[in-house]
Amino acid sequence: DAKTTQPTSMDCAEGRAANLPCNHSTISGNEYVYWYRQIHSQGPQYIIHGLKNNETNEMASLIITEDRKSSTLILPHATLRDTAVYYCIVGERLNTGNQFYFGTGTSLTVIP
Amino acid sequence: SQTIHQWPATLVQPVGSPLSLECTVEGTSNPNLYWYRQAAGRGLQLLFYSVGIGQISSEVPQNLSASRPQDRQFILSSKKLLLSDSGFYLCAWSRTVRDEKLFFGSGTQLSVL
Repeated sequence: DAKTTQPTSMDCAEGRAANLPCNHSTISGNEYVYWYRQIHSQGPQYIIHGLKNNETNEMASLIITEDRKSSTLILPHATLRDTAVYYCIVGERLNTGNQFYFGTGTSLTVIP
Repeated sequence: SQTIHQWPATLVQPVGSPLSLECTVEGTSNPNLYWYRQAAGRGLQLLFYSVGIGQISSEVPQNLSASRPQDRQFILSSKKLLLSDSGFYLCAWSRTVRDEKLFFGSGTQLSVL
């Protein structure tokens, strides 16, 4: 079962920052927070991940609260191509890899 | 660079017919391999994962099975499809390190009629 809670849908104006929240109140100390997105009828695409510190890459920024019970994915300047379903996932560690449990995600619509 | 191939892209099968979906990974060795399913309007459900040849772990009881006959080959099968097996099936792989991300294939849209 998914260990995260996200809003079902959000809208964002093109060119504005999109802030997507995620609650993961039961996260354990060794678990990472991952974000993926899925454009219709395609496989999910990795965006970013983090453990404790805030992270930034060419796609997005990830802000994790100090208690690690929630996080926010920030798309700094949303474009129409950012319209997708965004999944927040807490990675459950195996000895030799990770199992990822995806919920229903947040459907982000970027409006012209 | 690593690539993942999944086929076919779409498949229409009658109820009771068999199923075989294949996934292969190139450019890496000893990957972790995964099968996910996404029903219409639902999230991704982890079906099977494999950490090595012949090693399969099932996440949910179902009408499907998985096999890993080679290091970089992962097969999803069914002897008799049910209507409820319809969905979007995704294969994925990851490296065998703690925090490594998943790389997904392009998916197979299966319609059981």
